[in-house]
Order: sequence, then C-alpha cells, then structure tokens
Amino acid sequence: QVQLQESGPGLVKPSGTLSLTCGVSGDSISSIYWWSWVRQPPGKGLEWIGEIYQSGTTNYNPSLKSRVTISVDKSKNQFSLKLSSVTAADTALYYCARKGMTGFVGQYYYYMDVWGKGTTVTVSS
Amino acid sequence: DIQMTQSPSSLSASIGDRVTISCRASQSISSHLNWYQQTPGKAPNLLIFAASSLQSGVPSRFSGSGSGTDFTLTISSLQPEDFATYYCQQSYSIPHIFGQGTKLEIK
Repeated sequence: QVQLQESGPGLVKPSGTLSLTCGVSGDSISSIYWWSWVRQPPGKGLEWIGEIYQSGTTNYNPSLKSRVTISVDKSKNQFSLKLSSVTAADTALYYCARKGMTGFVGQYYYYMDVWGKGTTVTVSS
Repeated sequence: DIQMTQSPSSLSASIGDRVTISCRASQSISSHLNWYQQTPGKAPNLLIFAASSLQSGVPSRFSGSGSGTDFTLTISSLQPEDFATYYCQQSYSIPHIFGQGTKLEIK
C-alpha cells in the first residue's frame, strides 16, 4: 500500500523559505509516476502547486513559478518543496500526492490517486 | 490557464436524494477531468477519473459524465458519509487547476 507523509516546519517567518519533504513508502519514487504538491489555505479550496518526475523534470503553477522549487531525492525515496519569499497568503495545509495514470501511448489520463495526510504551515513572525 | 467553474458552490440535500454537481472548463479538456471528495480534516479522495471512470473502492452510487467543457458528478442516493466538499480538476494541461469546490450539506 502506497503511503505519503509530509514533514517540515509548521511555522515560517515572512520573507523566509518554506521547506517541506514528502516521504514515499510502498512505491519507488523512480517509478512511472509524477509526484505533486497541492495546498489549501484555511477555509478555501485546493491549489495545485507543481509536480516532479523521477528524472527531475518539473512543472509548476505559473502563479507560483518564480518562488517554487520541487526536487527529488531518489536515495531517500522522497521529494521536496521549497517556496521562497513567503507571506501570510502562503499559510495553508500542504499536501503531497502521487499523480497516477491510465491509458495508452498517446492518450494517458492523469489523476491524484494517493495523498498524504497534509501538514499545516503558518507564515507569521 | 484553463479555468474550472463548479456549480453550485453549496447544496443542501437529504439522505436518499439524487444529487448532481456541475463543472465547466474554460476550454475543451476532452475527458481529462477528475472528481475528488474531501471531508473536514482529511485529504481529498479520488472518486472519478477520466470524466467517468470510477476509482477502485468508490461506491457505485457515484458516477461521472461529460466531455469537452461540461461535466457532471452524480450521487444516485445520498448516504450520511457523502456530506462533504467535492472538487473537480482538469488534468489536460499544466497547471492542473481545481474547481472552487461544492459543499454538500444535510438539509
């Protein structure tokens, strides 16, 4: 059974860098999947942050692209999120997720089928 | 970016009711549409992928339909555990935007 677990500081100072890690168990981060980050501000909806493939190829939400870095550590079977220059607007519940896929060459369908429990990050001095 | 708009934003219904939630994409996304359920304090749970495919383990009272720009999630007979917030998400292009959510409440 695949499980994801987020970890990292729960409090970050304004203008600082938010750093989170997602540990993967029950699957290899070097498998066929993309690995994603999603966040949810208090009382609000879901925001897709970005994703990474085992090769290191990344895709980011343009709204965050200038501040986001997602990286992968195959030796530890984990991937990470860094978000720089944070403000109170970055206070949220941060989830990591696996982007599953089905279909065939030329027509794949993607979906987030495994999620971590989430970790709350508050930006405050 | 492709924008996703759900309607309604909130909905009151009773146990046993048939409920439909709509999701509209700002441009065609073929069938690259997913539905998730989120209960308070929990991570989202995948219900439907590729617009109409039921995720393993999800009750058959959930179904999805649509293609192009207009999609629907239907719950055929509401159960107590179905009162939650539902999100659609497009996986046709980057960024994989979510709809704003539909909160389903008990009448």
